[in-house]
Amino acid sequence: KAGVTQTPRYLIKTRGQQVTLSCSPISGHRSVSWYQQTPGQGLQFLFEYFSETQRNKGNFPGRFSGRQFSNSRSEMNVSTLELGDSALYLCASSGGSGNTIYFGEGSWLTVV
Amino acid sequence: SQQGEEDPQALSIQEGENATMNCSYKTSINNLQWYRQNSGRGLVHLILIRSNEREKHSGRLRVTLDTSKKSSSLLITASRAADTASYFCATGGISSGSARQLTFGSGTQLTVLP
Repeated sequence: KAGVTQTPRYLIKTRGQQVTLSCSPISGHRSVSWYQQTPGQGLQFLFEYFSETQRNKGNFPGRFSGRQFSNSRSEMNVSTLELGDSALYLCASSGGSGNTIYFGEGSWLTVV
Repeated sequence: SQQGEEDPQALSIQEGENATMNCSYKTSINNLQWYRQNSGRGLVHLILIRSNEREKHSGRLRVTLDTSKKSSSLLITASRAADTASYFCATGGISSGSARQLTFGSGTQLTVLP
């Protein structure tokens, strides 16, 4: 069974640009969540999607958005990039009756 | 903001020794999960313990949970160099509104010397 797949793995963007990150959850999982990891703030929850609906949102500005498709794949978008958005963005999926949450390898975003 | 703190922040041991990491959290939880992260990589799920469980084992891992003290510990026995990584506890719970919204500790950096 394939794990959580995130693309791209690495990317470099310029301040002011926008970026879209993609996540394919484990087959059969309907919940996808996103996290940001930085040295200063650690791991922080961005949002969670379930059956194409956003269920929870963390304390991030509106520049951070996401969506989920009918096949449970998810994308997150960051607009008007700032230097402080440089981070490892992690996608996680979970499903069934259990609450075990599995993470992907992450997307490393560098904003210059 | 972080749910709690992990202790110690860094731990260095010799191969074959046991490593114990502690995690404290602040609010009521449904469950607590432990993850490992190798440098620059994603999080690898190690073990989940529910709020009504006190102890759980998985291979060389032993996790305990004390909800009255809002704390958990992860014990890795007979450590190996390959265990070198950062270890995080994460709580999913009542206060977050979703068991699937995790709040992470600050992590323990474990170094196992060969």
